[in-house]
Amino acid sequence: DGGITQSPKYLFRKEGQNVTLSCEQNLNHDAMYWYRQDPGQGLRLIYYSQIVNDFQKGDIAEGYSVSREKKESFPLTVTSAQKNPTAFYLCASSTSNRAYEQYFGPGTRLTVT
Amino acid sequence: SQKIEQNSEALNIQEGKTATLTCNYTNYSPAYLQWYRQDPGRGPVFLLLIRENEKEKRKERLKVTFDTTLKQSLFHITASQPADSATYLCALPAGTASKLTFGTGTRLQVTL
Repeated sequence: DGGITQSPKYLFRKEGQNVTLSCEQNLNHDAMYWYRQDPGQGLRLIYYSQIVNDFQKGDIAEGYSVSREKKESFPLTVTSAQKNPTAFYLCASSTSNRAYEQYFGPGTRLTVT
Repeated sequence: SQKIEQNSEALNIQEGKTATLTCNYTNYSPAYLQWYRQDPGRGPVFLLLIRENEKEKRKERLKVTFDTTLKQSLFHITASQPADSATYLCALPAGTASKLTFGTGTRLQVTL
């Protein structure tokens, strides 16, 4: 089955620790995205990548980092510099250079205490 | 600045009625607009895309209209069912890169 997987579904970390969220897709999509969703705020773009080995900051990139070494994978690291990391994180992918139909993963709920 | 507005209040309707959700935008001239459905604790799922030169698009019980003069899209679900209960998000292209900006969504609750 083609799709996007995110793991884990729930993640708990202590404040001050970096944590990496996994996102893998087998849809052969060039573009991949990371969003953060907080109650009442909708989806906010953190980082996106249109091609392997290239990525751009979204609207709220501070405190986050990404890599895109393989077409299938776009991991997101939430660093200790992120002031409010507790949120629902969503990964998505789409066909290259045209944001028609973004396909979303199931999400990772990160709780930092 | 660019802004997308969806009614933040939940829409409660009775089963069998038509649900109509609104997406208004300002400072955009979008080539297309998309609608997504999101269930609690899950990722959004793409439903429909409508282009600027299309006034209306249908898919089964769903109908979307796009009025570029009013800067508004309406999303209709006819013969609504309890299974249609979810949050519905509209999204517009954001700039020249392959990005979307999402509205905050409207929660639809269909009751028996």
